[in-house]
Amino acid sequence: GESVGLHLPTLSVQEGDNSIINCAYSNSASDYFIWYKQESGKGPQFIIDIRSNMDKRQGQRVTVLLNKTVKHLSLQIAATQPGDSAVYFCAENEDSSYKLIFGSGTRLLVRP
Amino acid sequence: GAVVSQHPSRVICKSGTSVKIECRSLDFQATTMFWYRQFPKQSLMLMATSNEGSKATYEQGVEKDKFLINHASLTLSTLTVTSAHPEDSSFYICRWGGAGNEQFFGPGTRLTVL
Repeated sequence: GESVGLHLPTLSVQEGDNSIINCAYSNSASDYFIWYKQESGKGPQFIIDIRSNMDKRQGQRVTVLLNKTVKHLSLQIAATQPGDSAVYFCAENEDSSYKLIFGSGTRLLVRP
Repeated sequence: GAVVSQHPSRVICKSGTSVKIECRSLDFQATTMFWYRQFPKQSLMLMATSNEGSKATYEQGVEKDKFLINHASLTLSTLTVTSAHPEDSSFYICRWGGAGNEQFFGPGTRLTVL
């Protein structure tokens, strides 16, 4: 069952700075990874994805890095804005069945 | 783009009652659907996977007799929380199988059990 009282780690950054959010995934067989943003009371919002045959992918103001050797993902947000304040989750696709397993999440707070 | 709806968006019920949550796809059909729940300040936890026309597969620790899933058609799936108790209070989110794009997630249902 879920852990009672578990709190999300928080990353606090100054507006305009770059943010780096990290995630460790568990399954070495996972071949597809996604970063999501979630605002309070809403469902996950897709940010960017990456397949295991890549180690870097860039979007608009965001970059995802994948290190398969240590099973680590990171999300870099350039020039962080107040609207970026939210909880960020990584998710891994365990197999071709589209089953997504979510990581523990990080809360991003942007200071004006 | 594809849109998934959930109903109700919020529900408050008394302990011991059952609550049904509907998840509908509005402009596409999918055979696979996932149900997640999310407790405050925690991540989304996968509860079960269902395929249209067959029984759902539940994750370890999730009681199949308590969380009844009916994947009645390619556009409708329901999750019924039976004999709900305060510890079932959570945010329930459906997701249709396919690409991980946001359009395939439902907006979520906030369940509060008194």
